[in-house]
Amino acid sequence: DVKVTQSSRYLVKRTGEKVFLECVQDMDHENMFWYRQDPGLGLRLIYFSYDVKMKEKGDIPEGYSVSREKKERFSLILESASTNQTSMYLCASSFMDRRNYGYTFGSGTRLTVV
Amino acid sequence: KQEVTQIPAALSVPEGENLVLNCSFTDSAIYNLQWFRQDPGKGLTSLLLIQSSQREQTSGRLNASLDKSSGRSTLYIAASQPGDSATYLCAVIGETSGSRLTFGEGTQLTVNP
Repeated sequence: DVKVTQSSRYLVKRTGEKVFLECVQDMDHENMFWYRQDPGLGLRLIYFSYDVKMKEKGDIPEGYSVSREKKERFSLILESASTNQTSMYLCASSFMDRRNYGYTFGSGTRLTVV
Repeated sequence: KQEVTQIPAALSVPEGENLVLNCSFTDSAIYNLQWFRQDPGKGLTSLLLIQSSQREQTSGRLNASLDKSSGRSTLYIAASQPGDSATYLCAVIGETSGSRLTFGEGTQLTVNP
């Protein structure tokens, strides 16, 4: 069964910590995405990548960075965690062929910053 | 800018009822539309993908239709069960949006035993 795997289901971090959220896919997808989901705000795109070492800013990149050193792995980095980054983080991947294929999402990481 | 709207925002039905969830989008230039299910505190599970050239897709008790020209999609759930209780999201990939998905706000479905 094809999968997008997020390394942690729940994380609790302290304000100011550097936080790494990891995502791995086994479908040989070119595209990978990081979203955050908040009540009343829906899903918002943080960053995406369409190839190794390539990245594009989404709608809310401030306070985040990403790394894609290998095709199957896409990391989201919170350089200095703040309480307003408490959220559900969702990773997704897809083929470059947008016409014929959809997205696959991971199970999410619930991050709490205290 | 593409906007996706889902109606109703919440729906509560008795078990066994057939139901329809609605999704509308403002820009009909899309590659495909995808329906997802999300259980509380979990990620998104893909239910159905409809390519822009297709009119409908079926999977078990689920049937999704697409009317691209009018900017509408429906998700039909037959013989609903309590296990169908979840939030249902539709999302589109536009022809000019790169690989970005544009999501609706979702419909929260409760099926009562």
